[in-house]
Amino acid sequence: QITLKESGPTLVKPTQTLTLTCTFSGFSLTSSAVGVGWIRQPPGKALEWLALIYWNDDKYYSPSLESRLTLTKDTSRNQVVLTMTNMDPEDTATYYCAHRLTQFSTTWAIENFQHWGPGALVTVSS
Amino acid sequence: AIQMTQSPSSLSAFVGDRVTITCRASQDIRNDLGWYQQRPGKAPKLLIYAASSLQSGVPSRFSGSGSGTDFTLTISSLQPEDFATYYCLQGYNRPLTFGGGTKVEIK
Repeated sequence: QITLKESGPTLVKPTQTLTLTCTFSGFSLTSSAVGVGWIRQPPGKALEWLALIYWNDDKYYSPSLESRLTLTKDTSRNQVVLTMTNMDPEDTATYYCAHRLTQFSTTWAIENFQHWGPGALVTVSS
Repeated sequence: AIQMTQSPSSLSAFVGDRVTITCRASQDIRNDLGWYQQRPGKAPKLLIYAASSLQSGVPSRFSGSGSGTDFTLTISSLQPEDFATYYCLQGYNRPLTFGGGTKVEIK
């Protein structure tokens, strides 16, 4: 059974750095075609993709946030850590981590966020 | 970045109704589209991947179709537990982009 859980501060001040940890079980980030992504959702708004890290340590970031985001993984602890610098009240959101897996057919290979953590609400306020 | 335009943004329907939600991509994304259901206060859940493949464990009343730029999620007979917000997500190009969501409410 695959599970993921986000952890970190619930409240950060403007200009501070946010560090969120995704702790997962049921899969390994050393396995081919596996990744972990981060997605956020401001209250009452739509989902927004932030970042993605793969088993081979390839990393991808949303261009609008790339300068503020860093992803690292610790495969021995089954964790992925997202840091976001210079937090602003507009970054108030529920932050989700999700397991990304490639599914194959005879004609295509497509990735999906198959399993998600419950989410962590982060409020940015002084 | 590829823009995903989802419509309608909300709809009201009765239990038992057939419901259709559409997503249009700003460029060809082949079949690299997923549909997610999000109930209030919960994480999204994958329903459909590769535009038309039903994720394991998802009821067969959910179906997806389309390729290229136009995609559809259909719920053949709306059930009480289907009242939620639905999102499409394209994975063809990074940055990954979600549609704006469709909130399905009880009529």
